Amino acid sequence: NAGVTQTPKFRILKIGQSMTLQCAQDMNHNYMYWYRQDPGMGLKLIYYSVGAGITDKGEVPNGYNVSRSTTEDFPLRLELAAPSQTSVYFCASSRTGSGSPLHFGNGTRLTVT
Amino acid sequence: QKEVEQNSGPLSVPEGAIASLNCTYSDRVSQSFFWYRQYSGKSPELIMSIYSNGDKEDGRFTAQLNKASQYVSLLIRDSQPSDSATYLCAVSPGGGNKLTFGTGTQLKVEL
Repeated sequence: NAGVTQTPKFRILKIGQSMTLQCAQDMNHNYMYWYRQDPGMGLKLIYYSVGAGITDKGEVPNGYNVSRSTTEDFPLRLELAAPSQTSVYFCASSRTGSGSPLHFGNGTRLTVT
Repeated sequence: QKEVEQNSGPLSVPEGAIASLNCTYSDRVSQSFFWYRQYSGKSPELIMSIYSNGDKEDGRFTAQLNKASQYVSLLIRDSQPSDSATYLCAVSPGGGNKLTFGTGTQLKVEL
């Protein structure tokens, strides 16, 4: 099992560009999450999904969009990149929601200049 | 008041000592509690989960939960240099689908 796979690992964007961070899991987990982590800070929830076709906002959703067309995939879209979106992004999944542990991908380090 | 609070550290302990990491939370109906370890530049990995009051031991790690006082702690016995990392406390609210993370405590185990 690969677990949670994120691509790309690194990316540099110019202000105003768009990109999609990919996330896929092969554990048949219903719950998937996108977090961002800024230096010295904890993880902030951007969006989450409790199953295919269902998504909801987290603490810091502005500037991001998500979709969940399949159980396996949960891409995160940045439409107009801003320097404030420079961060490390982690995708995670869990079997039964907040009562079960999160399985994290390896992260995507994004720089917006 | 932050939902989940941790001392940012760094907490420095000598090799072989007990490291004690603490976390307090504000939501009284929180149900699930987790400790994650994060090495620099890596993703968080689960160390312990605890759901009921008391102690839970796994090898050198012991998680302690006190719901009345709203704190959860992690003890690391016989600390090793490889334990040097940031430890994140995560709490799930009652009835919710999201985990809230603290900012983490940096632990340094010195030779």
